[in-house]
Amino acid sequence: DAGVIQSPRHEVTEMGQEVTLRCKPISGHDYLFWYRQTMMRGLELLIYFNNNVPIDDSGMPEDRFSAKMPNASFSTLKIQPSEPRDSAVYFCASSPRGREQFFGPGTRLTVL
Amino acid sequence: DQQVKQNSPSLSVQEGRISILNCDYTNSMFDYFLWYKKYPAEGPTFLISISSIKDKNEDGRFTVFLNKSAKHLSLHIVPSQPGDSAVYFCAASNRMYSGGGADGLTFGKGTHLIIQP
Repeated sequence: DAGVIQSPRHEVTEMGQEVTLRCKPISGHDYLFWYRQTMMRGLELLIYFNNNVPIDDSGMPEDRFSAKMPNASFSTLKIQPSEPRDSAVYFCASSPRGREQFFGPGTRLTVL
Repeated sequence: DQQVKQNSPSLSVQEGRISILNCDYTNSMFDYFLWYKKYPAEGPTFLISISSIKDKNEDGRFTVFLNKSAKHLSLHIVPSQPGDSAVYFCAASNRMYSGGGADGLTFGKGTHLIIQP
């Protein structure tokens, strides 16, 4: 298996622009997670899905952030409008039920 | 408030010796703990885990110890090798909360392990 795939790997955008991050989980995994890593806060959970249904979005920082999982093989995290403080590395992870999480390589987002 | 704390931002150990990475947690509801290893420009990769019903789990050179009364866990790497140089994250979850299924992880801020030749 190719593992969790994230795109793009790097994104540079200007403040106010819409940003869409994409994730393809490992086939057969029922859970999908979005995390954000910053120097100040470390790795923090934003939202996770079980069988394409959002279960816990309490970590989503603001209404500017939204996430969808239209099918078992694809998820997006959207920021609209983006702000400089959103600059971070965003990780997607997937997991089979009850086991460890497998992380993608991350998307490094820079908002100017 | 940080629920999972790794108080040592970095640790330097000589090749061949034992590396001990420490982690403390405050949430007594956590019942499952994991260690992840991360290289630059890559995602974290799973190393080893332990359930709260155990106090030790071993996998090759890696052993995790859990002291529930002290809310403390540690990762031992013996012997340390140059390829072990990476950032190590301690993570915790409450699987009982999620009915035994996967749950979002709460991470510590990591410890940068440097193995000296």
